Amino acid sequence: NAGVTQTPKFQVLKTGQSMTLQCAQDMNHNSMYWYRQDPGMGLRLIYYSASEGTTDKGEVPNGYNVSRLNKREFSLRLESAAPSQTSVYFCASLSNSGRQYNEQFFGPGTRLTVL
Amino acid sequence: EDQVTQSPEALRLQEGESSSLNCSYTVSGLRGLFWYRQDPGKGPEFLFTLYSAGEEKEKERLKATLTKKESFLHITAPKPEDSATYLCAVQAPGTYKYIFGTGTRLKVLA
Repeated sequence: NAGVTQTPKFQVLKTGQSMTLQCAQDMNHNSMYWYRQDPGMGLRLIYYSASEGTTDKGEVPNGYNVSRLNKREFSLRLESAAPSQTSVYFCASLSNSGRQYNEQFFGPGTRLTVL
Repeated sequence: EDQVTQSPEALRLQEGESSSLNCSYTVSGLRGLFWYRQDPGKGPEFLFTLYSAGEEKEKERLKATLTKKESFLHITAPKPEDSATYLCAVQAPGTYKYIFGTGTRLKVLA
């Protein structure tokens, strides 16, 4: 069980460039999340997918798009990166059953710098 | 507006010096309050879920409690390896969304 994996681990972009952050989970979870974490701001929800085929906006969705490719994969796309998107991005999946019901499992994060 | 506030922002303890972290919340109809631990450079790791006032959960030196307005994470006789950022979150009513506090950075000195 790899849990939640994210790629890449680090990325540097120039303003205006685009990129996609990849996330995959192997725990058969229905719900997946994208958060960003900034100093003093805590974890803020960008987008989430309650189940395969659905996506919804979170607290800070502007400048981002998401794709729930299948049950395992949930990607986050920056179409035109801005310095304000410099952050650490975390993907998470939510256990919907069993002893781990309602626990979120987080990936290791992607550290993104936009110059 | 649903909100989670954690205090203090940072806490330094001597090894063995017990203390408590606070998480106060305003949400209409609590569906769950969650505690996570985050080590530097890593993703948060789940600790506890509390669902109703009066509920308590324990794990090693940590004990989480819940009232109608706040939760406490009690740390008894902490060790340096307990140093981390502790995050609190609530589930927004009727959704799969979770609202996180800004965390408490705990440093335990040997």
